[in-house]
Amino acid sequence: IAGITQAPTSQILAAGRRMTLRCTQDMRHNAMYWYRQDLGLGLRLIHYSNTAGTTGKGEVPDGYSVSRANTDDFPLTLASAVPSQTSVYFCASSDSGRANYGYTFGSGTRLTVV
Amino acid sequence: SQQGEEDPQALSIQEGENATMNCSYKTSINNLQWYRQNSGRGLVHLILIRSNEREKHSGRLRVTLDTSKKSSSLLITASRAADTASYFCATDSGGSNYKLTFGKGTLLTVNP
Repeated sequence: IAGITQAPTSQILAAGRRMTLRCTQDMRHNAMYWYRQDLGLGLRLIHYSNTAGTTGKGEVPDGYSVSRANTDDFPLTLASAVPSQTSVYFCASSDSGRANYGYTFGSGTRLTVV
Repeated sequence: SQQGEEDPQALSIQEGENATMNCSYKTSINNLQWYRQNSGRGLVHLILIRSNEREKHSGRLRVTLDTSKKSSSLLITASRAADTASYFCATDSGGSNYKLTFGKGTLLTVNP
């Protein structure tokens, strides 16, 4: 089934630890995105990538890094987790050459930093 | 910063009634989109309306866009219990990067 796979589904992480959230899509979409969703704040863009080999910063990039080595994968890394990074993280993709067709979202990763 | 702001924050109706949610935004847009999120799940794209369109339909969904007022509305007709979800508007401000800015959402509860 075409779509986006995120892993893990949920994670409890000790503060100061490093963690990578995985995101893989099989739709050959050129653009990919990471959002975090917090109660009362909605979804906020962390990083994005318009095409393999390029990345850009979103609204809340501090403490996060991404890479886009190929079209399908867009991992999000927390170098040293802090409690304020407790959130639900969503990966999304789009065919940005067809910007009128919306995003496809993954099911999310629920991260708790303690 | 949020571009779209949904109103109301929460809405509770009976099955069979219509549900209307509104979205206001601040800057000019290329298009506006509506998404649904069931509890604990990812967002699902519902409908997109371009800046040069005023109204669009998809099944029981009707979206309007008023660029002069920088506002949009989503109408769900003949609601069902399965429509219970959070609904988000998202705006694409155009430019070289296709990035959506989401509002905080409206929580719709449809009571059977």
